[in-house]
Amino acid sequence: QVQLQQSGPGLVKPSQTLSLTCAISGDSVSSNSAAWNWIRQSPSRGLEWLGRTYYRSKWFNDYAVSVKTRATINPDTSKNHFSLHLTSVTPEDTAVYYCARADGLLPLNYLPFDYWGQGTLVTVSS
Amino acid sequence: QSVLTQPPSMSAAPGQKVTISCSGSSPNIGYNYVSWYQQLPGTAPKLLIYHNNIRPSGIPDRFSGSRSGTSATLGITGLQTGDEGEYYCGTWDSGLSEVVFGGGTKLTVL
Repeated sequence: QVQLQQSGPGLVKPSQTLSLTCAISGDSVSSNSAAWNWIRQSPSRGLEWLGRTYYRSKWFNDYAVSVKTRATINPDTSKNHFSLHLTSVTPEDTAVYYCARADGLLPLNYLPFDYWGQGTLVTVSS
Repeated sequence: QSVLTQPPSMSAAPGQKVTISCSGSSPNIGYNYVSWYQQLPGTAPKLLIYHNNIRPSGIPDRFSGSRSGTSATLGITGLQTGDEGEYYCGTWDSGLSEVVFGGGTKLTVL
């Protein structure tokens, strides 16, 4: 059974960096069939996909246009987790952040999010 | 403003049937598989339907999905009070090169 356990601060000051980690159990961050995603949810923006990291003989990352210049998603194979770093945050980045797995043998863009973390409410405020 | 359009809310009585629509365009629903997610109050979204009409293991057959052209539909029969929550459609958008979601439909079973 795959489980995703999120950790990270719930309060970040404006202009600082938001950092969250998603620990994986029951699967590997280096899986050749999975992609590891970050998604956030806010009343104003709804569900918003932020990006993903995945391993296919080498590491790849994809990011949503809305956060591409500020977001970095990094895998850590030694700890079997992946992280999200979002720089220069503003109150608009206040949201519940989720990590999620997409897995399967089809092309990556066809894969649904089958396991989700518990969610972390991150508030951007001074 | 979400790329995929869903009705903001729907309601029906216990035991009844409801269909939730998700409208998109060629680069997203018209070209890629649609998934549906159920989010009960205070919980993370849960995969309900993938590849337009396939239920993951453990999802009852009261839930069904379909796609036609640039629209998708989630059907729920035999409504139960435990079905109350938000329902979201999602898919890949080949024009934007990112995952897109609908704005969500709040289902009330009264």
